[in-house]
Amino acid sequence: EPEVTQTPSHQVTQMGQEVILRCVPISNHLYFYWYRQILGQKVEFLVSFYNNEISEKSEIFDDQFSVERPDGSNFTLKIRSTKLEDSAMYFCASRPAIGYEQYFGPGTRLTVT
Amino acid sequence: KQEVTQIPAALSVPEGENLVLNCSFTDSAIYNLQWFRQDPGKGLTSLLLIQSSQREQTSGRLNASLDKSSGRSTLYIAASQPGDSATYLCAVLFSGGYNKLIFGAGTRLAVHP
Repeated sequence: EPEVTQTPSHQVTQMGQEVILRCVPISNHLYFYWYRQILGQKVEFLVSFYNNEISEKSEIFDDQFSVERPDGSNFTLKIRSTKLEDSAMYFCASRPAIGYEQYFGPGTRLTVT
Repeated sequence: KQEVTQIPAALSVPEGENLVLNCSFTDSAIYNLQWFRQDPGKGLTSLLLIQSSQREQTSGRLNASLDKSSGRSTLYIAASQPGDSATYLCAVLFSGGYNKLIFGAGTRLAVHP
């Protein structure tokens, strides 16, 4: 069964550094999402992406964040200058053109020191 | 504001008990509702998805029901086992917010032998 994959599984970075989290959505899916979960808190929506542009973003998704689909398979989340409070589990999700079920990847744990 | 609430926050039961986890949401206009399982430090495993037109879904020992008019869903786990110990998350796709799932804070379940 096709799956959403994410790399790396764990990333440690220093405050102020740029990080790129990578996702490979399911191949025939057209809608892509990033969510995050700070330890002990709810899963929160960050951004949705369709047809090579952002369709919706949350208040969390400020100018420090960007998303890109650089080729036909990858979907990336970039954080330009990481802060301690960016430490969280980041989940990528995708869904097909028909139906609204989102399929989640295993997550990338980002630790900012 | 569209919100999802889960009660109880934590539950500890002896093995073999049947149990019910509750999820409530603030707006009855939804596309679907999804139940996830999350093990500590891990990703989201989708358990059941109920479309807005459905009343319930079953998978093995799990049964999820949906009552849109009252803004409630329940996840019923039959004959609980220690391997069921995890956090169970409810997530709602509200109509008009079709881009993002809104998650509850979860119910942390411990099933002891």
